[in-house]
Amino acid sequence: GAVVSQHPSWVICKSGTSVKIECRSLDFQATTMFWYRQFPKQSLMLMATSNEGSKATYEQGVEKDKFLINHASLTLSTLTVTSAHPEDSSFYICSAQRGRTDTQYFGPGTRLTVL
Amino acid sequence: AQKVTQAQTEISVVEKEDVTLDCVYETRDTTYYLFWYKQPPSGELVFLIRRNSFDEQNEISGRYSWNFQKSTSSFNFTITASQVVDSAVYFCALSEALGSAGTASKLTFGTGTRLQVTL
Repeated sequence: GAVVSQHPSWVICKSGTSVKIECRSLDFQATTMFWYRQFPKQSLMLMATSNEGSKATYEQGVEKDKFLINHASLTLSTLTVTSAHPEDSSFYICSAQRGRTDTQYFGPGTRLTVL
Repeated sequence: AQKVTQAQTEISVVEKEDVTLDCVYETRDTTYYLFWYKQPPSGELVFLIRRNSFDEQNEISGRYSWNFQKSTSSFNFTITASQVVDSAVYFCALSEALGSAGTASKLTFGTGTRLQVTL
């Protein structure tokens, strides 16, 4: 299989705090992981692409200082939403890919609510 | 630039009906991949199929079938004898063979089609 997990599945935090979301590939090594954001009833919007051991590549319009991505190993990438505000409330989904042209397998998502 | 269009926003069918979800794509690449993902209410995206641009053979997997027509840039998905458990949002997606400078290829998603199957 190709199983990707995310933790936590949901989080509620106060405005101004930072939240870390973990994405793990459980049964394969992922050279690349992707982070997406999805608003209700909308499609997925790619935020950034991360490769193990190197800096993430952010999509246009995504603040790299606000959404910190670390891809420390071939099975773990983290997204930290720094100084979260209510407008950051969203569904965050990660995906992992074995090789550069392989299928992306998605995690179950993390629902972030910022009060 | 790549683009995926899913013109059907919502479809509602009665159980056991067949339903086809349309997907039209645009790309300048000669080598690319097409995908369908299912997103049930739980939110997780479930991979359904991946198609290489050089392989136009249609595929059937149980009640699911896919019709890839390069001439019309379409990759339609049909569910035969739909069931309530098929209710979900279905996304069609496209990726180039390789990103620029050999980087990982990104997925371009359509806006999704919400399928509601009722008894």
